Amino acid sequence: AQSVTQLDSHVSVSEGTPVLLRCNYSSSYSPSLFWYVQHPNKGLQLLLKYTSAATLVKGINGFEAEFKKSETSFHLTKPSAHMSDAAEYFCVVMSNAGGTSYGKLTFGQGTILTVHP
Amino acid sequence: KAGVTQTPRYLIKTRGQQVTLSCSPISGHRSVSWYQQTPGQGLQFLFEYFSETQRNKGNFPGRFSGRQFSNSRSEMNVSTLELGDSALYLCASSSGDGYADTQYFGPGTRLTVL
Repeated sequence: AQSVTQLDSHVSVSEGTPVLLRCNYSSSYSPSLFWYVQHPNKGLQLLLKYTSAATLVKGINGFEAEFKKSETSFHLTKPSAHMSDAAEYFCVVMSNAGGTSYGKLTFGQGTILTVHP
Repeated sequence: KAGVTQTPRYLIKTRGQQVTLSCSPISGHRSVSWYQQTPGQGLQFLFEYFSETQRNKGNFPGRFSGRQFSNSRSEMNVSTLELGDSALYLCASSSGDGYADTQYFGPGTRLTVL
């Protein structure tokens, strides 16, 4: 079984300040982890992906995430927020177990990021 | 390459009717997954198709079904619509070659059931 918990439903930051979106996961098998972003009335866009290579993963638009197995965490960070970062962010896990894992992403409940001028 | 396309983008139906949604994957992708997004339940996996075969299925009633054609295009069908079926339905495509395939999402079909 696999699950994802996003620890904050809403995060509010000022433009130019750091962003931290927290995610903990649970997986019976070695997981692949993703962060997706969804802007209003748009589909989901992949920010970054972890697949057991480097534990620090760099994504698009200056975002990065660090895989910490001991803490079962995969937090998303960005050094300096832009107004265009305002959106909903989803932490996602896929278990590499085959069978019932095929094509199945398990999503967290999402974190809405608000960026103030 | 063109992205994932979904048609129609918006649908309004009444209870008891049925609906068919369509998804065209990225060229060369053989796997298509479907998800339902609602404010209360979030994003939930419906099913996945690969080379015209359903490989995986989520916990949805049998009213939700799908299929995939030889060109990898996929459709999902919901019969006997209920008010609770109102949602954004997203499809995603991937190569289907490995467990950690990146899934690329379409813009979704917004279904409203009255």
